[in-house]
Amino acid sequence: QSALTQPASVSGSPGQSITISCTGTSSDVGGYKYVSWYQQHPGEAPKLMIYDVSDRPSGVSNRFSGSKSGNTASLTISGLQGEDEADYYCSSYTSTNTWVFGGGTKLTVL
Amino acid sequence: EVQLVESGGVVVQPGGSLTLSCAASGFTFGDHTMHWVRQVSGKGLEWVSLISWNGGRRDYADSVKGRFTISRDNSKNLLFLQMNSLMTEDTALYFCAKDTNFNIDYWGRGTLVTVSS
Repeated sequence: QSALTQPASVSGSPGQSITISCTGTSSDVGGYKYVSWYQQHPGEAPKLMIYDVSDRPSGVSNRFSGSKSGNTASLTISGLQGEDEADYYCSSYTSTNTWVFGGGTKLTVL
Repeated sequence: EVQLVESGGVVVQPGGSLTLSCAASGFTFGDHTMHWVRQVSGKGLEWVSLISWNGGRRDYADSVKGRFTISRDNSKNLLFLQMNSLMTEDTALYFCAKDTNFNIDYWGRGTLVTVSS
């Protein structure tokens, strides 16, 4: 049950696009479509932003998009806004019927 | 509106026991798998346990297996986490979370467990 690998931090200017990667194995990210992304502001609960690799829940801005290639999933945020500054976590279902999270990525909007 | 409200977090001594509760509303509780996820202050998320809609399947992270037990009462829309043999490493904010089709989609605000002598 090793954590998925995410960059510790990313940054971008307002209006730019950024991508956060999430690398696992064929037993989790690479083996299933059940990859999710969460946004967490300080002191708040995580909020689901992407599920099933690339689907957006109702109410989530279309500036957020997800994709996957092999064992690596990615979250892209386009048209960066100040309110996007937060921690982002990926998660995946695994072959042992457990879930695993990434270590988290701190997004700074410059 | 989906609401998940955790309770039961306190300060407990190493080796002690504690039971967390989560009250669910705004959805058909008995139709959904439920999870517990924890977060050490300033750190990342760690999946802890899940229970299927009818309690027939329960799974645990290796770090808590044999010490924690998840359960649910569908008649009262309640989720539980019984925590035994607590260690300082179990100190964290514990979130109750709802699952839809293998994705965790809603989270509570968490309850803080502190294991300290």
